[in-house]
Amino acid sequence: QVQLKESGPGLVAPSQSLSITCTVSGFSLTSYGVSWVRQPPGKGLEWLGVIWGDGSTNYHSALISRLSISKDNSKSQVFLKLNSLQTDDTATYYCAKEGDGNYEDYWGQGTTLTVSS
Amino acid sequence: DIQMTQSPASLSASVGETVTITCRASENIYSYLAWYQQKQGKSPQLLVYNAKTLAEGVPSRFSGSGSGTQFSLKINSLQPEDFGSYYCQHHYGTPYTFGGGTKLEIK
Repeated sequence: QVQLKESGPGLVAPSQSLSITCTVSGFSLTSYGVSWVRQPPGKGLEWLGVIWGDGSTNYHSALISRLSISKDNSKSQVFLKLNSLQTDDTATYYCAKEGDGNYEDYWGQGTTLTVSS
Repeated sequence: DIQMTQSPASLSASVGETVTITCRASENIYSYLAWYQQKQGKSPQLLVYNAKTLAEGVPSRFSGSGSGTQFSLKINSLQPEDFGSYYCQHHYGTPYTFGGGTKLEIK
């Protein structure tokens, strides 16, 4: 069955960079896209970006200068990197598989990030 | 970017009641709209896509409707497991923005 699992550092200092890995199973990264979505504590969902099966990417315009998404198809892993972290980047970060119509049909459990010194 | 406006922000209802959540897009998104349910401490789950197609395993008491800029999610005969937060999201070109969410609570 389809599964996604995020793994991240938990705590990062301001101005540093964040790297999160999403490890997937049950589908091929060459056939489906994977999106990243985050949710600050007590707030709503924010779509961050997507990497498609062909390796192309799209990013939220507000984060395009700080965000990078890449993948390793052979390891079934997708990577999110976010630079110049600020306290308002504190959130739970989710990876999600794109369905055939570009909606998120399967989600990971999420990984919590706190930006603090 | 397309903005999604969801209402109400919160809603209190009893088991057995019928509720409707609405979502408005800032421009025409045709039927490229999805609805998600999120329970406290859990990841979101897809309920509806393409405005009215129920995701696999979603009970038939849920229904989605609308097209263009106006959409709604209706839940008939609320069950205890339906309480939580609901989000709309367009999937008509990136960024795939979400609505602000509706928190559905037990009355």
